[in-house]
Amino acid sequence: AAGVIQSPRHLIKEKRETATLKCYPIPRHDTVYWYQQGPGQDPQFLISFYEKMQSDKGSIPDRFSAQQFSDYHSELNMSSLELGDSALYFCASRPAGGGTPYSTDTQYFGPGTRLTVL
Amino acid sequence: DQQVKQNSPSLSVQEGRISILNCDYTNSMFDYFLWYKKYPAEGPTFLISISSIKDKNEDGRFTVFLNKSAKHLSLHIVPSQPGDSAVYFCAASEGSGGSNYKLTFGKGTLLTVNP
Repeated sequence: AAGVIQSPRHLIKEKRETATLKCYPIPRHDTVYWYQQGPGQDPQFLISFYEKMQSDKGSIPDRFSAQQFSDYHSELNMSSLELGDSALYFCASRPAGGGTPYSTDTQYFGPGTRLTVL
Repeated sequence: DQQVKQNSPSLSVQEGRISILNCDYTNSMFDYFLWYKKYPAEGPTFLISISSIKDKNEDGRFTVFLNKSAKHLSLHIVPSQPGDSAVYFCAASEGSGGSNYKLTFGKGTLLTVNP
């Protein structure tokens, strides 16, 4: 079965640089979520999109922005990177409707992007 | 304030025995609960879920029990296998009640199944 694709898998940046993380949801999934997992921490919700509109916002810094495109992929843009932004960033997708092997109540996660800020 | 709590950071069991992972929550608006399994350098993999209208859901070797009055759920794995060794996250959402199903996670329990 198709899975959520995230790119890049690893990213190293310097302080104050910018980074763009990409997420390609499972086909026919129209809701995308972003989570940040710091070292030894649980994943924290950042932001979500449904049908290309922001649907919910969590603890996302103002330096970060995100959007969902017409093909449902999403990008998380991070500017003025700080050391504390070093983390695993997960994208998850969820289908809105039935007719697929995936549950509409469940989020399916990608492999994550490991961001290291030096 | 940790709304989803997994109080055991680690658990070690023998192959073939039962593994019981526990999770408590404080937000009474949560109505959908999920367990994810995570290996290092991979994303969380969905295991099993339960809606608040049920008290038990079973899928093969995995069973989740929900006690709403106690705000407690548990994941039972029977029999445990070495390949089950991973970090298990409990997660909750307000589901149909709003918040677009965003997940609140516990801190995870590292399960080690010894051969």
